[in-house]
Amino acid sequence: GAVVSQHPSWVICKSGTSVKIECRSLDFQATTMFWYRQFPKQSLMLMATSNEGSKATYEQGVEKDKFLINHASLTLSTLTVTSAHPEDSSFYICSADSGGAGELFFGEGSRLTVL
Amino acid sequence: AQSVSQHNHHVILSEAASLELGCNYSYGGTVNLFWYVQYPGQHLQLLLKYFSGDPLVKGIKGFEAEFIKSKFSFNLRKPSVQWSDTAEYFCAVKRQGAQKLVFGQGTRLTINP
Repeated sequence: GAVVSQHPSWVICKSGTSVKIECRSLDFQATTMFWYRQFPKQSLMLMATSNEGSKATYEQGVEKDKFLINHASLTLSTLTVTSAHPEDSSFYICSADSGGAGELFFGEGSRLTVL
Repeated sequence: AQSVSQHNHHVILSEAASLELGCNYSYGGTVNLFWYVQYPGQHLQLLLKYFSGDPLVKGIKGFEAEFIKSKFSFNLRKPSVQWSDTAEYFCAVKRQGAQKLVFGQGTRLTINP
């Protein structure tokens, strides 16, 4: 199947700093990518839908200025957590739509720990 | 709002037992249905999906699921589980034509050898 890669897989940062997470589709072009957040032992909560070349669509309750999403190319979307705080610590997962059968392919996830 | 409900939060079985994990959704229109699995420390992988046609779909690793439209359900089944099936299982629903995939809460499956 198609491969989606996230980087970094884990990151520790100090409170107040910004962290960028990359999501790449390695063997296909993804016009649409999605960013999810997963709390321990909970489900994936959709944060935003990222469309190549346009602004991301954020879900209700997700702060646009805090979670900056950029989808500059058909193979790369980035999530930047700005001015991170300990409550932003979580597992962030991206997925990409190959545009084929409607199946999404998921990245390995990025675990963010804010001290 | 569209929602997906998985009835079991944690299921514990012995090897060779039969498995059924429940999934119900609330949207009344045409939907695409998915089951994903997340093995410990790994990313989500697609087990199976339903778009149209035969409501009984077969996936990888011996899993199958049945779409019952009247019950808004898409339960996952496996006749005989293995220790390696220990994982988190997520049901997900997408409204046909929509971009968003909505996940259920997940069911943690533990198989005792």
